[in-house]
Formats: sequence, structure tokens, C-alpha cells
Amino acid sequence: QSALTQPASVSGSPGQSITISCTGTSSDVGGYKFVSWYQQHPGKAPKLMIYDVTNRPSGVSNRFFGSKSGNTASLTISGLQAEDEADYFCSSYTSSGLWVFGGGTKLTVL
Amino acid sequence: QVQLVESGGGVVQPGGSLRLSCAASGFPFSSYGMHWVRQAPGKGLEWVAFITYDGSDKRYADFVKGRFTISRDNSKNTVYVQMNSLRAEDTAVYYCAKAREQWVVRDMDVWGQGTTVTVSS
Repeated sequence: QSALTQPASVSGSPGQSITISCTGTSSDVGGYKFVSWYQQHPGKAPKLMIYDVTNRPSGVSNRFFGSKSGNTASLTISGLQAEDEADYFCSSYTSSGLWVFGGGTKLTVL
Repeated sequence: QVQLVESGGGVVQPGGSLRLSCAASGFPFSSYGMHWVRQAPGKGLEWVAFITYDGSDKRYADFVKGRFTISRDNSKNTVYVQMNSLRAEDTAVYYCAKAREQWVVRDMDVWGQGTTVTVSS
């Protein structure tokens, strides 16, 4: 199972919006609603930010928005804040009954 | 609150074995599937294995199949991964994570802080 494709890095200024893409195939991202996004600060455990493509867990800011079109899922963060600077990983359930992650995207808040 | 605490990491020679444990608290452990996910130094997350709430279904990434075995003891609220025939490329922080919903096969929501495995001679 190949990793999902994410850009290595994105950046934005405080208050701006950014979007991180996550591209897979019809056997994973495109075939299921089970796409999640995780935020990871250096030296910390990942934190679930979005599940089932669009849903936010309780306590996650509504500045985080998930979507999907075809084989590509996206995470949009609006009103960028310094605390959003972190690594972001997407994951998807696959037709093999397994899970696959994206390679990760480093978000820099300028 | 939900808490997951991994243990058992360390330094092991290539070809060696190690068993990692993950002690859970703060939720009905016997109702939830559990995952192991790893992260090599400076690299991304890599899904390793999953076990259903009752241990009846176990799933593995291709790169560990036949070498790693996931198991659980619901009486001890603990999930394990037995790692055999370890390779240098298995060097990573290993996280356990709780499935997001009870009873069903689901992705991860809460993660532990991880335990470090180093495979080196």
C-alpha cells in the first residue's frame, strides 16, 4: 500500500487561510469516507483534527475544515494562528482493510 | 480522561525481539479496537497493526506481516505488539492509539506518547 501524497510544506501568514491536499486512489481516499487528519507538534503525539472527511472532534477549532473531491482530500485552516504551526498527516482506510498515511506536511506560520 | 501509556521500548540488535505494551485507562477498553502506529526519526507516520475489541480480527501492514503480532488482554486493559526478526528500518517511535468508535473497525482518535525502539548492533 503506497503512502498518500501530501505536499512537503505549506506556509501562510497569521490570519490567512491555507489548504493541504492529500491524494490517493479509488482504493483508499476516493473509495471511502474514512479520511482523517492529524496534527503533530514536535516531540508530541498526533492529535485528531478531522475524521470521516469533514467532521471535527469535540474541542477542535472550527477554523479547521475538511473536504474531499474524487481521490483527493483537503484540510483547510482559516485564520492562521502561530499555534497551528505543526506537521499535518492525512490517513485513509483502504480496500485491503488496512490504513495508510500521507507523508506529512509541515505548516509554517510566517 | 483517556490515557494510553506505552512501554517496552529499547535498543535491540538486528534479528532480535521486543514486546511493546500499551496500558489503557479512562474508557471501556474491552469495547474498542486498538492500533499501533510508528514514526521513524524525522519521518512520517506509518500504520503498523490493528486489533478488534475482542481480538477476533487482527490486521497488519505488509512490511510487518509475519514478524509482528498484535494481541490484547482485556482483563489488564493492555494491548501488545510482539516484534520479531527486527531490522534497522524498524527503528522508530511506536505509538498505540484507540479506535474512534466502540465495537467497529475505525481509525485512531487518542494516541499515547510513544515508546522508542532502536534496532542497532
